[in-house]
Amino acid sequence: EPEVTQTPSHQVTQMGQEVILRCVPISNHLYFYWYRQILGQKVEFLVSFYNNEISEKSEIFDDQFSVERPDGSNFTLKIRSTKLEDSAMYFCASNRDSGANVLTFGAGSRLTVL
Amino acid sequence: DQQVKQNSPSLSVQEGRISILNCDYTNSMFDYFLWYKKYPAEGPTFLISISSIKDKNEDGRFTVFLNKSAKHLSLHIVPSQPGDSAVYFCAASGSGYSTLTFGKGTMLLVSP
Repeated sequence: EPEVTQTPSHQVTQMGQEVILRCVPISNHLYFYWYRQILGQKVEFLVSFYNNEISEKSEIFDDQFSVERPDGSNFTLKIRSTKLEDSAMYFCASNRDSGANVLTFGAGSRLTVL
Repeated sequence: DQQVKQNSPSLSVQEGRISILNCDYTNSMFDYFLWYKKYPAEGPTFLISISSIKDKNEDGRFTVFLNKSAKHLSLHIVPSQPGDSAVYFCAASGSGYSTLTFGKGTMLLVSP
């Protein structure tokens, strides 16, 4: 069964450092998403991406965050200068079209900011 | 502002019995509701969904009920199995949008 792949599974970084989280969505999917879950809290929407541009973003997705699809397969989330409160599990998701509400999620990348 | 609320952080059920997980929402624009299951160290996995034009959707051991007037939905698992032990997230979206709003999750423990 096709799956969404995320790397790294766990990254530890110092506050103020840049972090790039990578995702390989399902190959025939066109819509891509990043969500995050801070420990003990709900899964929160960060950003959606379609046709090489952001289609929607939440209040969390401020200027420190950016997304990119640098080639035909990867979808990346960059945090420019990490803060302690960025520590969370980051989930990438994809789906085939915007009308399909079922998203397929990756296993997540755990980010720990020290 | 919790638009999707799962008020029970955990639920324990014996194998073979029914598990009922509840979810409430506040946003009237939501018209599609989903349940995701999450095991440790894995991402959320889609389980079952329901459109606002229905009040029930069944898939094997899993049934989702929607009460629009009460803005309440529930997931019934019967019979419950130990492998069902996981965190269950309720999620909702609005018409034409696939951005999901999640609840905090309910951890279900099914004991043999």
